[in-house]
Amino acid sequence: EVQLVESGGGLVQPGGSLTLSCAASGFTFSSYAMAWVRQAPGKGLEWVSSIGGRGDYTYYTDSVKGRFTLSRDNSKNTMYLQMNSLRAEDTAVYYCAKIEAGLDYWGQGTLVTVSS
Amino acid sequence: QTVVTQEPSLTVSPGGTVTLTCASSTGAVTSGYYPNWFQQKPGQAPRPLIYSTSNKHSWTPARFSGSLLGGKAALTLSGVQPEDEAEYYCLLYYGGVRVFGAGTKVTVL
Repeated sequence: EVQLVESGGGLVQPGGSLTLSCAASGFTFSSYAMAWVRQAPGKGLEWVSSIGGRGDYTYYTDSVKGRFTLSRDNSKNTMYLQMNSLRAEDTAVYYCAKIEAGLDYWGQGTLVTVSS
Repeated sequence: QTVVTQEPSLTVSPGGTVTLTCASSTGAVTSGYYPNWFQQKPGQAPRPLIYSTSNKHSWTPARFSGSLLGGKAALTLSGVQPEDEAEYYCLLYYGGVRVFGAGTKVTVL
């Protein structure tokens, strides 16, 4: 059974940093690209970033370029989203998702709140 | 800034049919945009329904179908059930970058 479990969310001050993790199980992690999607409170879904199965490519939405860095450790079946220079508008539930048949499996999300 | 446009809201009667669409600011949506559709209910993670325009996941009810219609991606719900009331999002692929639509709120009334 595919399982994705996000962790690392919490309250952080504007300008601060946070690293989210996505622990995967139930599939050959290194064979699949992965993604982060976020949802601000009461708002729609926003694709944030994707990474290739071997970490050989990454893509970012414009609003996080230069501030967020996506990486993965295939030996630990884990993906990481390093978030720097956080802003109030980064406040959201962050979901990780597996990419095969589209974004076919999702975690339950972790909440990031950027506030002073 | 690429924008993906969906109807903000649609209302359908139980047992009826409704079609949601997904347009791209870059032009006609083709299969090369690999349209995905997701259903989300309050307090829940999104649930994938359709990928690559018209392919269903093993858990997708038969009453959901995806297509291309008039230069847009489309999601059709046939024989709508009360439990289909939800927010529906499309997702388009732009050669690496992906963009979600703002969502369509479907009300079953």
